[in-house]
Amino acid sequence: GENVGLHLPTLSVQEGDNSIINCAYSNSASDYFIWYKQESGKGPQFIIDIRSNMDKRQGQRVTVLLNKTVKHLSLQIAATQPGDSAVYFCAEKMYSGGGADGLTFGKGTHLIIQP
Amino acid sequence: DAGVIQSPRHEVTEMGQEVTLRCKPISGHDYLFWYRQTMMRGLELLIYFNNNVPIDDSGMPEDRFSAKMPNASFSTLKIQPSEPRDSAVYFCASKPDGSKTQYFGPGTRLLVL
Repeated sequence: GENVGLHLPTLSVQEGDNSIINCAYSNSASDYFIWYKQESGKGPQFIIDIRSNMDKRQGQRVTVLLNKTVKHLSLQIAATQPGDSAVYFCAEKMYSGGGADGLTFGKGTHLIIQP
Repeated sequence: DAGVIQSPRHEVTEMGQEVTLRCKPISGHDYLFWYRQTMMRGLELLIYFNNNVPIDDSGMPEDRFSAKMPNASFSTLKIQPSEPRDSAVYFCASKPDGSKTQYFGPGTRLLVL
């Protein structure tokens, strides 16, 4: 079936470097994508989102890029800090049954920041 | 402001017992979602409510699972009888109408022995 997946399960970067987390999706009908951050023992926390009519969106130290041609989503984190260590999930807006508000999550990438 | 509140935070029970997980959404949020997270399957949507009415329960694994939302500030997810394969972290999330961003609670870590 259609799903959202991640290329790399673990990514290790040096503190201060930039990191890029990738996500592939297969549902061309999805119109909204979100990146969540999940720290150990906590629930997912919203980072940034992007609509399908956009290619790029920037936040504070984070940038999301959307390439609809190859159905690829990426999250760039600039100048990584120890607090960025977490599991990052991409999610797409899912149409399911009579509702249209559920999210389909990828498996997650564990980002490790090395001092 | 208080975020989504879930209780208990941890639950250990024996196979066959009834388990009830509780959630208080953020005040004013019209949507409430229940998710399950496991290492094997990641985060899965189980069911969601809009204005206390269940909209989509296609993610509920089987009849042993049931969810209710008797009012705008409270929801329960019940497993009866519980099985070891139900062991997971269960998250509740809520969002206001018109927003696509869901706000997650801290989760309930369930272990069924």
